[in-house]
Amino acid sequence: EIVLTQSPGTLSLSPGERATLSCRASQSVSSSYLAWYQQKPGQAPRLLLYDASSRATGIPDRFSGSGSGTDFTLTISRLEPEDFAVYYCHQYGSSPRTFGQGTKVEIK
Amino acid sequence: QVQLQESGPGLVKPSETLSLTCTVSGGSISSYYWSWIRQPPGKGLEWIGYIYYSGSANYNPSLRSRVTISVDTSKNQFSLKLSSVTAADTAVYYCARHPHRSSAIDYWGQGTLVTVSS
Repeated sequence: EIVLTQSPGTLSLSPGERATLSCRASQSVSSSYLAWYQQKPGQAPRLLLYDASSRATGIPDRFSGSGSGTDFTLTISRLEPEDFAVYYCHQYGSSPRTFGQGTKVEIK
Repeated sequence: QVQLQESGPGLVKPSETLSLTCTVSGGSISSYYWSWIRQPPGKGLEWIGYIYYSGSANYNPSLRSRVTISVDTSKNQFSLKLSSVTAADTAVYYCARHPHRSSAIDYWGQGTLVTVSS
């Protein structure tokens, strides 16, 4: 099983600042089959990025993803008020599918 | 626009079987993979397993001995059964879709809270 470790656990930032979230895998993620999701309280996760760097439909271009192998990054270039949420990475290249434990982006 | 809706009991007794159904609307259940994912209160996400519309399934080894996922294409539904539940199975259960075996989950249901308690 591939274990995904996200860091930091919590990121305290102000609107307009840049957010950099990390996801490290215990072994190489096949074909960069890694996605990022945003989850707000009481809501289902929403797909932001898939295949490490491809934006899902309707996702603004302030969200970007990079990485391969075992190290992946989600960057939010300028935080908007609606971006404060919990973010999860998810690998779907190996079974079982696994998720990181989440990074909470909170308002400073 | 594809929509997924979970349904089933919100309270299950310990040692009994949790049963949930996901109804897919706005699109066909055919040609896609359908997963169940759960999230204990205040915690992270755990993938339970998926089923292909043809009926082939794949389960998380951590739950394999207790899980069955089935599909009913005539009703555009798929279902989850989790046996011998304990308090540790208390969670929000989500149904979800992914276009291929190895593709990101693109649609999620709203989730349903199942509490295991006597």
